[in-house]
Amino acid sequence: DAKTTQPNSMESNEEEPVHLPCNHSTISGTDYIHWYRQLPSQGPEYVIHGLTSNVNNRMASLAIAEDRKSSTLILHRATLRDAAVYYCILGAGGTSYGKLTFGQGTILTVHP
Amino acid sequence: GAGVSQSPSNKVTEKGKDVELRCDPISGHTALYWYRQSLGQGLEFLIYFQGNSAPDKSGLPSDRFSAERTGGSVSTLTIQRTQQEDSAVYLCASSPDRALGYTFGSGTRLTVV
Repeated sequence: DAKTTQPNSMESNEEEPVHLPCNHSTISGTDYIHWYRQLPSQGPEYVIHGLTSNVNNRMASLAIAEDRKSSTLILHRATLRDAAVYYCILGAGGTSYGKLTFGQGTILTVHP
Repeated sequence: GAGVSQSPSNKVTEKGKDVELRCDPISGHTALYWYRQSLGQGLEFLIYFQGNSAPDKSGLPSDRFSAERTGGSVSTLTIQRTQQEDSAVYLCASSPDRALGYTFGSGTRLTVV
């Protein structure tokens, strides 16, 4: 499985933007880039995913490098409720699409 | 229901006993996963069901673990002769399509004593 590399932890202040980086240098052409987050004592929550183009939804934006070897999850205005572990995951595309292999993720701390 | 439902939410069992964990995915979701998460650890993939295709069982840690998905809907994860190292939160997720995001349940916290 292609692997991702994320910083162990990041900190932000409330109402400021947060840029969470992810490196995936061994990504294959059919791998989707997924982001999930996990709040304390809860199951993971889907945030966003993309393949090549940048993506926006109500929760966040996903910026994908042109060579697809890295991506950045952007939270435009962090709130205290955004404090969580953020996972960047590659999902195999094509007929084998499906299995998501979670790494250790980035622990995001948001300060009031 | 509105989300993925897992039962029981908590299970305490004695070492050596068998346990069954249930997952009710969102209606119409063809893809279903089981993961487990040990205390302070990341998620560990166990098994993946997609429609009528043969499941991907590559993550099951031993032959004591098995899972079924009946009628393309409800799934049951069975752990035979439980061991203390099986203690973890077992999470189920489903998706309507392989290209879309997955919705996770709240998990079953299994404690083997």
